[in-house]
Amino acid sequence: EVKLQQSGDELVRPGASVKISCKASGYTFTSYSMHWVKQRPGQGLEWIGAIIPIIDTTEYNQKFKGKATLTADKSSNTANMELSRLTSEDSAVYYCARSRFGVRQYFDYWGQGVMVTVSS
Amino acid sequence: DVQMTQSPSNLAASPGESVSINCKASKSISKYLAWYQQKPGKANKLLIYSGSTLQSGTPSRFSGSGSGTDFTLTIRNLEPEDFGLYYCQQHNEYPFTFGSGTKLEIK
Repeated sequence: EVKLQQSGDELVRPGASVKISCKASGYTFTSYSMHWVKQRPGQGLEWIGAIIPIIDTTEYNQKFKGKATLTADKSSNTANMELSRLTSEDSAVYYCARSRFGVRQYFDYWGQGVMVTVSS
Repeated sequence: DVQMTQSPSNLAASPGESVSINCKASKSISKYLAWYQQKPGKANKLLIYSGSTLQSGTPSRFSGSGSGTDFTLTIRNLEPEDFGLYYCQQHNEYPFTFGSGTKLEIK
């Protein structure tokens, strides 16, 4: 069974950074891409970017360049996203989602989401 | 970026009825449109990809149509578990973009 288990909710101070994780199981981690998606409270979904773990190649939405950094740990089948210089605009639920390789791919499995709250 | 305009924002229907949700792209995305269902406490679920291909496990009462810029998700014979939020997403080019969502509620 494919599972994407995300880390727990986070409360962080403005200006700080946070790293959230997505542990994959039930499939070969290096045979798929991992994407990250943002959803602000009551809002729609925004694609942040993706990483291809087998070659550590990333693709970012221009809007999130400098804000999000995607990495992958092949030894633990875990994808990570670090968000830096946090502001209230970064308060959101962040999802990881899997796809096959290539641009024209869709997300066939999603994590449960991590709520990041930025507050002093 | 490709803008996705989804309508309606809200929809109310009764079990057994049929509904349609529309998604319009700001430029041609060929057939590359996906539909997802979002429900509280559950992982987002892929329903349809490439415009009309049902993901494994998606009930046959769901169907997708369209190409180019105009797409439709149709749900026939609504079941109680079908109520929730639905999003379209273009998967033709980076950055992937989503529609603003449709909330399907019980009438």
